Amino acid sequence: SQTIHQWPVTLVQPVGSPLSLECTVEGTSNPNLYWYRQAAGRGLQLLFYSVGIGQISSEVPQNLSASRPQDRQFILSSKKLLLSDSGFYLCAWAMGETQYFGPGTRLLVL
Amino acid sequence: GENVEQHPSTLSVQEGDSAVIKCTYSDSASNYFPWYKQELGKRPQLIIDIRSNVGEKKDQRIAVTLNKTAKHFSLHITETQPEDSAVYFCAASKDGGFKTIFGAGTRLFVKA
Repeated sequence: SQTIHQWPVTLVQPVGSPLSLECTVEGTSNPNLYWYRQAAGRGLQLLFYSVGIGQISSEVPQNLSASRPQDRQFILSSKKLLLSDSGFYLCAWAMGETQYFGPGTRLLVL
Repeated sequence: GENVEQHPSTLSVQEGDSAVIKCTYSDSASNYFPWYKQELGKRPQLIIDIRSNVGEKKDQRIAVTLNKTAKHFSLHITETQPEDSAVYFCAASKDGGFKTIFGAGTRLFVKA
């Protein structure tokens, strides 16, 4: 069966510091991969999606970037964090219509 | 662009009552409609879905209805229990679900 992992689980970072969040999927090949951000008490904002290695589409222009160096690995990065980057970051995978979410990374930028 | 509107944003019901959450979508080509439940601090999890060739689907206390003509779909929870308290998201997608559009969410409170 398929599983999705995210790390770290929680992260506290100062403003202006870099960021790297990792997502890996097991038990499937060539999935579509997604990064979402959820601000406290809010909905799901799609940040990036990928249909294959090296293929990244950005939904919201901002100071974040994403990369897919391997088939089942999706990385979210930033060179300089902003206070507004705080939130719950969710990775998701799909092999068809249904998206399945990872456990999430809670990021607090101070 | 594509849009999914969800109402109400907050819903409070007494234990044992029914709860209904409604969504409308803008893209008439949408053909897959999942519903997710997100408990506090957890990931959203799929609870039920429906495809455009079906008008209604039921799974125990949960049912979803779809009206393609009106472009709206609804989640019905019967005999609500305190553990049903969560945020519920509706969503719509097309073309095999390459990109899914989510509603803003409904926070459901079930009072014991």
